[in-house]
Amino acid sequence: AQKVTQAQTEISVVEKEDVTLDCVYETRDTTYYLFWYKQPPSGELVFLIRRNSFDEQNEISGRYSWNFQKSTSSFNFTITASQVVDSAVYFCALSVRSGGYQKVTFGTGTKLQVIP
Amino acid sequence: GAGVSQSPSNKVTEKGKDVELRCDPISGHTALYWYRQRLGQGLEFLIYFQGNSAPDKSGLPSDRFSAERTGESVSTLTIQRTQQEDSAVYLCASSFTSGGAVRADTQYFGPGTRLTVL
Repeated sequence: AQKVTQAQTEISVVEKEDVTLDCVYETRDTTYYLFWYKQPPSGELVFLIRRNSFDEQNEISGRYSWNFQKSTSSFNFTITASQVVDSAVYFCALSVRSGGYQKVTFGTGTKLQVIP
Repeated sequence: GAGVSQSPSNKVTEKGKDVELRCDPISGHTALYWYRQRLGQGLEFLIYFQGNSAPDKSGLPSDRFSAERTGESVSTLTIQRTQQEDSAVYLCASSFTSGGAVRADTQYFGPGTRLTVL
């Protein structure tokens, strides 16, 4: 069975601070995908990144960066110089192929509030 | 192209009534998923469609819930005899499966339907 743990339920930071959202996953599959999605107050889930289990290279996209470490089964997400528009709920997800399709397990989300 | 669309955006119904929620996936996406998200909680998988294969209904919480999809087009999620605990946002997502393509197997979500059962 797959499991995704986002231990941080809510985080508040002051604008321009850096913040890291933690994600720890469990799976026995050797091939899987990891995702981060953003859910702003409007409600629509926005895809941010997909990482293949064979690719541990960290990625940076603007103010966003992701640290994938298989040794600790973690896929953490850092926002540098946070902005008010970053306020949202962020979901980490794990996807494995099961019965012919990608079965996705979501974490419970981390609510980020950026205070101006 | 257009993203995933869902209708209605909001639905208020009385307990015991039936409701139908609609999802239009991204054109060309063979896979379609329905999720339920209760207030302040994560996503709960309901049902999955892949092309013309039999759907995976393992996440449906009761026999009051059913869903249909014709081919790779629109899907409808039906909840019969609604209960107050059915109040939630119902999210639809679609994806395509194409080997190692960069965006394959990545789910793109619609805006959701907020269902309120009084």
